[in-house]
Amino acid sequence: GAVVSQHPSRVICKSGTSVKIECRSLDFQATTMFWYRQFPKQSLMLMATSNEGSKATYEQGVEKDKFLINHASLTLSTLTVTSAHPEDSSFYICSALGGSEKLFFGSGTQLSVL
Amino acid sequence: KQEVTQIPAALSVPEGENLVLNCSFTDSAIYNLQWFRQDPGKGLTSLLLIQSSQREQTSGRLNASLDKSSGRSTLYIAASQPGDSATYLCAAGGGADGLTFGKGTHLIIQP
Repeated sequence: GAVVSQHPSRVICKSGTSVKIECRSLDFQATTMFWYRQFPKQSLMLMATSNEGSKATYEQGVEKDKFLINHASLTLSTLTVTSAHPEDSSFYICSALGGSEKLFFGSGTQLSVL
Repeated sequence: KQEVTQIPAALSVPEGENLVLNCSFTDSAIYNLQWFRQDPGKGLTSLLLIQSSQREQTSGRLNASLDKSSGRSTLYIAASQPGDSATYLCAAGGGADGLTFGKGTHLIIQP
């Protein structure tokens, strides 16, 4: 079946540094990828929709200059958390839209900002 | 804006019982409804996907139903096992609009 690879699975960084998370569709092309964020005991919240070759569409309240999304190819989207702060600590997960409108999820990235 | 609610928030039952998890959504204009399983510290595992034109889907001991008109879906788990312990997420939407998730039902199956 379709597989989405997300790396890294866990990141611990100092406040002020930038962190890049990669999301790859391994055996299918994904024109649309989504980035979600989940705080403890909260539901997954959509951050942005990423379309290959165009600018990402951000949900209300998500800072586009802080969460940089690049979808340069049909198999790769990246999320860069710029100048990360402790409040950005969260579980980030990507998904890719495959056939039959089904979403395939990466394994997630647990970001901890000290 | 789509809102998804899951009831109950937590459930603990003895092994072997059949159980039902509930999900409701406010906007019936959805492409599909999906049920996921989330294990601690891990990503999501897709369990069942119901297209908007379908009423139910079955996979092994799992059965999910969809009633778009009432904005409801249920996930039925038969003969529960300790390995079923996880958080179960319901998500509505699909297509290019992504999904809106509920907060999940934290399920514990007691051995």
